[in-house]
Amino acid sequence: EVHLVESGGGLVQPGGSLRLSCAASGFTLSDHYMDWVRQAPGKGLEWVGRTRDKAHSYTTEYGASVKGRFTISRDDSANSMYLQMNDLKTDDTAVYYCGRLPRATADSGGGYWGQGTLVTVSS
Amino acid sequence: DIQMTQSPSTLSASVGDRVTITCRASQSISSWLAWYQQKPGKAPKVLIYKASILESGVPSRFSGSGSGTEFTLTISSLQPDDFAIYYCQQYTSYSLTFGGGTKVEIK
Repeated sequence: EVHLVESGGGLVQPGGSLRLSCAASGFTLSDHYMDWVRQAPGKGLEWVGRTRDKAHSYTTEYGASVKGRFTISRDDSANSMYLQMNDLKTDDTAVYYCGRLPRATADSGGGYWGQGTLVTVSS
Repeated sequence: DIQMTQSPSTLSASVGDRVTITCRASQSISSWLAWYQQKPGKAPKVLIYKASILESGVPSRFSGSGSGTEFTLTISSLQPDDFAIYYCQQYTSYSLTFGGGTKVEIK
């Protein structure tokens, strides 16, 4: 059974940094694209970024609001993905979800989501 | 980026009602669209992917249709457990995008 568990959230001051982790089980992380999605309090869902699978050299894409500040990485030996967040702003306050979202391929299913971790950026 | 527009933003309905939510894409996304249900304090739950494929374990009262730029999510007979927020999401481009959400509330 697939499980995704996020950790690392907390309170950080504006301009600070934080690293989130996503521990995966039930599947081999290197075989799959993985995403980060966030949700500000009372707001909708916003895609943060994606890391492609090993076959696609783990290349990454980012949303415009985080590009240049956030970095997605992986440790396949730990079956884990990370989100390094630098120069944090109050607008980055949100619940951050890791997910194995659907892909535009014939064999992709509906995907899986973790339970989320809250990041609060405040002085 | 591809923009996803959902309507209505809020929908008031009664148990047993047939409910339809619409999602429009700013350009063609073929059938690469997912629908999610989210309840307060919980992660989104996938209902439908590839526009019309029902995720395993999701009740058959949920259905999806459409292709290109216009899509619908239909709940054939609204149940008490269905009061929630629903989101569409396109996954055809390098940059994934979500609709703004539709809150289904009790009339």
